[in-house]
Amino acid sequence: EAQVTQNPRYLITVTGKKLTVTCSQNMNHEYMSWYRQDPGLGLRQIYYSMNVEVTDKGDVPEGYKVSRKEKRNFPLILESPSPNQTSLYFCASSLRREGGADTQYFGPGTRLTVL
Amino acid sequence: GDSVTQMEGPVTLSEEAFLTINCTYTATGYPSLFWYVQYPGEGLQLLLKATKADDKGSNKGFEATYRKETTSFHLEKGSVQVSDSAVYFCALSPVRSNYKLTFGKGTLLTVNP
Repeated sequence: EAQVTQNPRYLITVTGKKLTVTCSQNMNHEYMSWYRQDPGLGLRQIYYSMNVEVTDKGDVPEGYKVSRKEKRNFPLILESPSPNQTSLYFCASSLRREGGADTQYFGPGTRLTVL
Repeated sequence: GDSVTQMEGPVTLSEEAFLTINCTYTATGYPSLFWYVQYPGEGLQLLLKATKADDKGSNKGFEATYRKETTSFHLEKGSVQVSDSAVYFCALSPVRSNYKLTFGKGTLLTVNP
């Protein structure tokens, strides 16, 4: 089954304790992204990757890191989480298509609480 | 920069009522336009999309037409069901940049029996 998986689905942590949220897709997609969803703000892109070893900042990258060492995986790293990073996080992937937009496929989400 | 403005919610309707959720956008050129739906406790799913002016996207009885002259992509359904209760997001993807989606804030729809 074609899918994007994220782990963990729920996480409660404390300020300053490094954490990683994993994301994996089995569709051989070139593009992958991380978004955060906050009430009243919709979804905002954190980072994206256009292929292995190619990543770039989205709209709200502060406090986050990413890496893309393999095509299928795109982990999100919070080196020193703070309470304002409490949010619902989504990973997404899509095919690279010349001249047009392809559908982004979303993972089930990771609800993060930073105390 | 690019932006999407959609109707503020929440929207509450009775079953079989007509639904419209307004969406307008600001972008350079001809972006691709999308409606995504998020059911309770789930991730986002593509509902429909349109990639050029005057295109109509449709799925599950929902429709939206890409109107370049009014920079709009309003979502409509003729007869909603309880199972349509969800959050609906309008989004755009810049020309030749399908690695990025700019979302509206979302509209919560509740359909009562």
